[in-house]
Amino acid sequence: QVQLVESGGGVVQPGGSLRLSCAASGFTFSSYGMHWVRLAPGRGLEWVAVISYDGSYKYYADSKKGRFTISRDNSKNTVYLQMNSLRAEDTAVYYCAKEGSTRYYGMGVWGQGTTVTVSS
Amino acid sequence: DIQLTQSPSFLSASVGDRVTITCRASQGISTYLAWYQQKPGKAPKLLIYVASTLQSGVPSRFSGSGSGTEFTLTISSLQPEDFATYYCQQLNSYPLSFGGGTKVEIK
Repeated sequence: QVQLVESGGGVVQPGGSLRLSCAASGFTFSSYGMHWVRLAPGRGLEWVAVISYDGSYKYYADSKKGRFTISRDNSKNTVYLQMNSLRAEDTAVYYCAKEGSTRYYGMGVWGQGTTVTVSS
Repeated sequence: DIQLTQSPSFLSASVGDRVTITCRASQGISTYLAWYQQKPGKAPKLLIYVASTLQSGVPSRFSGSGSGTEFTLTISSLQPEDFATYYCQQLNSYPLSFGGGTKVEIK
């Protein structure tokens, strides 16, 4: 079945770095754009970044530009989120999500999420 | 960037009630809007995309409408499993954005 499994979350000190991974299975990974979305405690969903099916384009939420980098390895069916210069406000559950045949069809498949805690 | 404003942010309703949630965009987004349901500790679930198309497997009591800047999600008869937080999301242009959410609780 179609599945996304995130990993790599944990506790990190302010200013530290973390790389999240999202392993995909059950579909042709190299045909779909992939997103990262987060849910911070007491807040709503926040879109973080997207990478196209072939990695040719990437977009980020304004506040993440320069600190976060999205990438993918289609040979490993995995999308990554490299997070640098982490701040307390980056504490959240991070989800990866698969978009439909175009981005206009929304994100129909989500992982279970991985928790990132930024704290000293 | 496109901002989405959801209302209400909190809604108390009873089983069987008809519930309507509104999402307003800061600029026109055609019909490129999706709705999600999220329960505590769970990933979001896509309910509706392109404003009014029901995702496969989603009960028909959920419906969406609207275009341009104003959209609605309607639950025709609220069921116990529908108590959750609902989010709209614009997919018209990057950066994508979500509304602030509407928490639907049991009256």
